[in-house]
Amino acid sequence: EDQVTQSPEALRLQEGESSSLNCSYTVSGLRGLFWYRQDPGKGPEFLFTLYSAGEEKEKERLKATLTKKESFLHITAPKPEDSATYLCAVDYGGSQGNLIFGKGTKLSVKP
Amino acid sequence: EAGVAQSPRYKIIEKRQSVAFWCNPISGHATLYWYQQILGQGPKLLIQFQNNGVVDDSQLPKDRFSAERLKGVDSTLKIQPAKLEDSAVYLCASSLDTANEQFFGPGTRLTVL
Repeated sequence: EDQVTQSPEALRLQEGESSSLNCSYTVSGLRGLFWYRQDPGKGPEFLFTLYSAGEEKEKERLKATLTKKESFLHITAPKPEDSATYLCAVDYGGSQGNLIFGKGTKLSVKP
Repeated sequence: EAGVAQSPRYKIIEKRQSVAFWCNPISGHATLYWYQQILGQGPKLLIQFQNNGVVDDSQLPKDRFSAERLKGVDSTLKIQPAKLEDSAVYLCASSLDTANEQFFGPGTRLTVL
């Protein structure tokens, strides 16, 4: 069965303490891997799309990487405003655009 | 550029009642999606439209859920009759085409009592 697993479920960091979130997937025919940020009471906000192993993308303090089995979202020197739930989703061999989401990692950054 | 609009933002109903949600996608976006997000879970796709045609509705509980996208723009999702387990946030998303990133609306939080 196709699956997307995110770890850890929750992560607490001090401001400036860098860390990484993990998204592992077991799907056939990966067409793309997406990272989204979701704030409480809001819809997910698009961050990155990765298409092939070895690809990397950066945006401010965030950097996403992709291997054949997993993706990492690296957060460098986080600030309190980075606190949110980070969702990973894969576009696999089903109908194009049909995303399977993980449960997310809830990140809290304390000042 | 205006984002995806959804209404209402909140809805409380009793079980066995019916409810409808509305979505207006980003202008020019051909593909529209409805997701269900249960508390603590990631969004789960219910139905995907390409213009006004259904691409994928394999996870839509068709005995109680229905959706339409008239004229390939706005869409409505209906639940009739609602069950307790339908309590969730219903998210609408749109994309230029099926291969592009999806942009989400703020969602409608449904509580079924």
